[in-house]
Amino acid sequence: DTGVSQDPRHKITKRGQNVTFRCDPISEHNRLYWYRQTLGQGPEFLTYFQNEAQLEKSRLLSDRFSAERPKGSFSTLEIQRTEQGDSAMYLCASSAQNTEAFFGQGTRLTVV
Amino acid sequence: GIQVEQSPPDLILQEGANSTLRCNFSDSVNNLQWFHQNPWGQLINLFYIPSGTKQNGRLSATTVATERYSLLYISSSQTTDSGVYFCAVGGTGSARQLTFGSGTQLTVLP
Repeated sequence: DTGVSQDPRHKITKRGQNVTFRCDPISEHNRLYWYRQTLGQGPEFLTYFQNEAQLEKSRLLSDRFSAERPKGSFSTLEIQRTEQGDSAMYLCASSAQNTEAFFGQGTRLTVV
Repeated sequence: GIQVEQSPPDLILQEGANSTLRCNFSDSVNNLQWFHQNPWGQLINLFYIPSGTKQNGRLSATTVATERYSLLYISSSQTTDSGVYFCAVGGTGSARQLTFGSGTQLTVLP
């Protein structure tokens, strides 16, 4: 296993467009998390899946954001009608039950 | 929610020096991790240490859960140690996510 994989690594989009990011967790991990990191800050939690169930959502996750994890494997994070304030690094992490989390390389989003 | 404070925010060292980074947290935790963020943004796992002491080469960490703090020690620092170090904690409640501190920006000069 090569660890948590995210795609794409970079995305530039025009304001108002929709974007979708993908995360492939470590295969035996049942927990998957999405975080957002802006410049000079630590990552902030967005949402959490245990298997296919989305169990936690942060107040940061506005109605324009939606995440899925069909069949409890890979996950997608979609942002609709992007705004300049959505520009950030989007990080995915996975973990097994009650163990350490491992992060992917992240997707850097720039909204122009 | 749980609060995480890291100190110092910035640290500049000469190569070969030792350093101590501190992480204070406001509530009981069931998870504490130290990460190094590389220049490309990836978070590299250093330690999973909700309590006790661990060592890995020139790095070691200690968490005193009862006093709600953790320390990361870097000995004989190298220029490749430069970057941002994050402490992240997971609470004991139903929430499973990590709460990160603001990080310590370490610069090691040759």
